[in-house]
Amino acid sequence: EAQVTQNPRYLITVTGKKLTVTCSQNMNHEYMSWYRQDPGLGLRQIYYSMNVEVTDKGDVPEGYKVSRKEKRNFPLILESPSPNQTSLYFCASSALLVGDTQYFGPGTRLTVL
Amino acid sequence: AQKITQTQPGMFVQEKEAVTLDCTYDTSDPSYGLFWYKQPSSGEMIFLIYQGSYDQQNATEGRYSLNFQKARKSANLVISASQLGDSAMYFCAMRATNFGNEKLTFGTGTRLTIIP
Repeated sequence: EAQVTQNPRYLITVTGKKLTVTCSQNMNHEYMSWYRQDPGLGLRQIYYSMNVEVTDKGDVPEGYKVSRKEKRNFPLILESPSPNQTSLYFCASSALLVGDTQYFGPGTRLTVL
Repeated sequence: AQKITQTQPGMFVQEKEAVTLDCTYDTSDPSYGLFWYKQPSSGEMIFLIYQGSYDQQNATEGRYSLNFQKARKSANLVISASQLGDSAMYFCAMRATNFGNEKLTFGTGTRLTIIP
């Protein structure tokens, strides 16, 4: 089954404790991306990657890191989480063409106390 | 810069009626794609319909159609014969390649509630 998986699905942590949210896709997609969703703001792109070892900032990259060492994986790293990073996070993947649909993971609900 | 505007934060529609969700966009890229996604209360993002900037005809997928007016930069989603299961958040999104930078921009969404 073609899918994007994210782990964990739910996470409660404390300020400053480093965490990683994993994302993996099995569709051999070149493009992967992270978004955060906040009420009234829609989804905002954090980082994206167009291929292995190629990453770029989206609209809200501050406080986040990513890496793309393998095509299928695109982890999101919060080195020192803060309460304003409490949000719903989505990973997505697609092929590279403008018309290619993004497939979304199930989401990770993160709470930073 | 790319921008998507959804001006309807919430809508209430009677079951079986048609509903139009508004979306306007702004981009300087000549080639772009417009998408609509549905997000039910369970939280997942479900792809509904796609329209390419060079497509001559409006896209349709079952009960969903996209009213694409390029000159007005609008891409409204039309749902015919609404059902209770259509109650959800709906997001309009645009994908464009701006000098090699692949961007996907979302609107703030419209919460649709279908009334029995």
